Amino acid sequence: NAGVTQTPKFQVLKTGQSMTLQCAQDMNHNSMYWYRQDPGMGLRLIYYSASEGTTDKGEVPNGYNVSRLNKREFSLRLESAAPSQTSVYFCASSEAHYSNTEAFFGQGTRLTVV
Amino acid sequence: GENVEQHPSTLSVQEGDSAVIKCTYSDSASNYFPWYKQELGKGPQLIIDIRSNVGEKKDQRIAVTLNKTAKHFSLHITETQPEDSAVYFCAAPREYGNKLVFGAGTILRVKS
Repeated sequence: NAGVTQTPKFQVLKTGQSMTLQCAQDMNHNSMYWYRQDPGMGLRLIYYSASEGTTDKGEVPNGYNVSRLNKREFSLRLESAAPSQTSVYFCASSEAHYSNTEAFFGQGTRLTVV
Repeated sequence: GENVEQHPSTLSVQEGDSAVIKCTYSDSASNYFPWYKQELGKGPQLIIDIRSNVGEKKDQRIAVTLNKTAKHFSLHITETQPEDSAVYFCAAPREYGNKLVFGAGTILRVKS
């Protein structure tokens, strides 16, 4: 049982480049989330998908787009990377949306924008 | 909106001692308070949670207490072990429970 799988684990981008972070879960969860983690700031919600076919903005959505491809997959796209987007990105999923149900996190993607 | 403050930011204890991490929240409607543990190089993992209809919950060496009047909740770890060394996050819901706001995290170091 893999849980939540994120790819890639590490990535270095040049300013202005684009990339897509992939996330897949095998727990048949309805809700999925993208967070970024920066030192001293905890986890901040970028976007979430309460159920297949819906997406909503979180606390820090600027510079990002998401796609809920199907129930299993939720991708995060950076159209034009900026140094301020250097961070560790976590995907998470939960059975229901979500504030009172356990969220399961992937292992993270460490992104550096130079 | 919800604001969650977590203290201390770092905590060092001797193996076998107790550790306490405290969080305060602002939204009086909040009713669910989880704690997550993040080990180096991994994603956060839920270790314990509490709902507003109880004041305390225990699971072996960890416990969480909730004071709704004062709007704070705390994580207590007794008989700490080196494997307890990690970053701990508290969280609380906001916007009618649609989003979870995390504290900034506490780095716990257990010295053996």
